[in-house]
Amino acid sequence: EAQVTQNPRYLITVTGKKLTVTCSQNMNHEYMSWYRQDPGLGLRQIYYSMNVEVTDKGDVPEGYKVSRKEKRNFPLILESPSPNQTSLYFCASSLRGREGTGELFFGEGSRLTVL
Amino acid sequence: AQSVAQPEDQVNVAEGNPLTVKCTYSVSGNPYLFWYVQYPNRGLQFLLKYITGDNLVKGSYGFEAEFNKSQTSFHLKKPSALVSDSALYFCAVRDLNSNYQLIWGAGTKLIIKP
Repeated sequence: EAQVTQNPRYLITVTGKKLTVTCSQNMNHEYMSWYRQDPGLGLRQIYYSMNVEVTDKGDVPEGYKVSRKEKRNFPLILESPSPNQTSLYFCASSLRGREGTGELFFGEGSRLTVL
Repeated sequence: AQSVAQPEDQVNVAEGNPLTVKCTYSVSGNPYLFWYVQYPNRGLQFLLKYITGDNLVKGSYGFEAEFNKSQTSFHLKKPSALVSDSALYFCAVRDLNSNYQLIWGAGTKLIIKP
């Protein structure tokens, strides 16, 4: 089954404790992206990747890191989480980011709480 | 600046009635427009898109959207609402000035009452 898999789905952590949210897709998509969803703000893009070893900042990259060492995986790293990073996070992928049609496939989301 | 607006935070419709979820946009050049739906505790799912061609676009689950260039709108519609259509709906437009990334509306909560 074609899917985008995120882990963990739910996480409660404390300020400053490094964490990684994994994202994996099995559709051989070139493009992957991370979003955060907050009430009233819709989706805001954190980072995206057009292909392996190519990453770019989105609208709200502060406090986050990403890497794209292989095509299927795009982990989101919070080196020192803070309470303002409490949010619902989504990973998404599509066949191509630039020439493609923009149809994104989303993971089920990861709800992160930073105390 | 390029932007997307969904003017209604919430839309309430009785089951069986037609529904409309509004979206307006501001972009330079020809817009690529999308609608996504988010059911409770789920990720977003693609509904439909407008790239070019016929102004009336048909998508999943019986939804359609009408592209209106003069009004810069892309409203989502369905002739007869189902309770199962209750969800959060997002409009998005491709930003040609920002490496083709999507600009998202804030979302509209659609509530269908039996």
